[in-house]
Amino acid sequence: EVQLVQSGAEVKKPGESLKISCKGSGYSFTSYWIAWVRQMPGMGLEWMGIIYPGDSDTRYSPSFQGQVTISADKSISTAYLQWSSLKASDSAIYFCARHETIAEAAGYWGQGTLVTVSS
Amino acid sequence: QSALTQPASVSGSPGQSITISCTGTSSDVGGYKYVSWYQQHPGKAPKLMIYDVSNRPSGVSNRFSGSKSGNTASLTISGLQAEDEADYYCSSYTISSTQVFGGGTKLTVL
Repeated sequence: EVQLVQSGAEVKKPGESLKISCKGSGYSFTSYWIAWVRQMPGMGLEWMGIIYPGDSDTRYSPSFQGQVTISADKSISTAYLQWSSLKASDSAIYFCARHETIAEAAGYWGQGTLVTVSS
Repeated sequence: QSALTQPASVSGSPGQSITISCTGTSSDVGGYKYVSWYQQHPGKAPKLMIYDVSNRPSGVSNRFSGSKSGNTASLTISGLQAEDEADYYCSSYTISSTQVFGGGTKLTVL
């Protein structure tokens, strides 16, 4: 069974760094793309970027380029989303999702990670 | 890139059909067959309902169908049921080798 299991909720202060994770199981982790999607409180889905764990090829939405870093450690089948300096506006739920290819739909989703940034 | 345009809300009575539109440009919706639709219930992760414009994943009801004409894609739900009440998002591959979502549509089953 394909599963994407995300790390737990985080509460951070502005300016702090953070790295959240998404562990894939039940499939060949290096053969599918993993995307990250933001959902701010009461708002819609925003596609942030995507990585191919097989060779770490990474693409970012222009809105998120330079604001976050997407990475993956194929040895432990885990993708990451990280911030070097959080802002209050980064408070949101973050989902990871598996894509067959960079163009195709996301058939499997993680459960979401709630990030709260508050002083 | 700008978000795809969806109506903020649609509604219908049980048994009726509704259609949600998703308008983009020739650089996304109009240029590729890679349009998908997701259903999201409150507090849950999105669920894929339609991929590649009109294909249903295994397990998705055939009451859900998709189509595309030019720069506009559509999701139709026939025989509305109470459980269909949710938010729906379209998504498309783009010329920049990224993907983009629509703003989302809240479906209310009256």
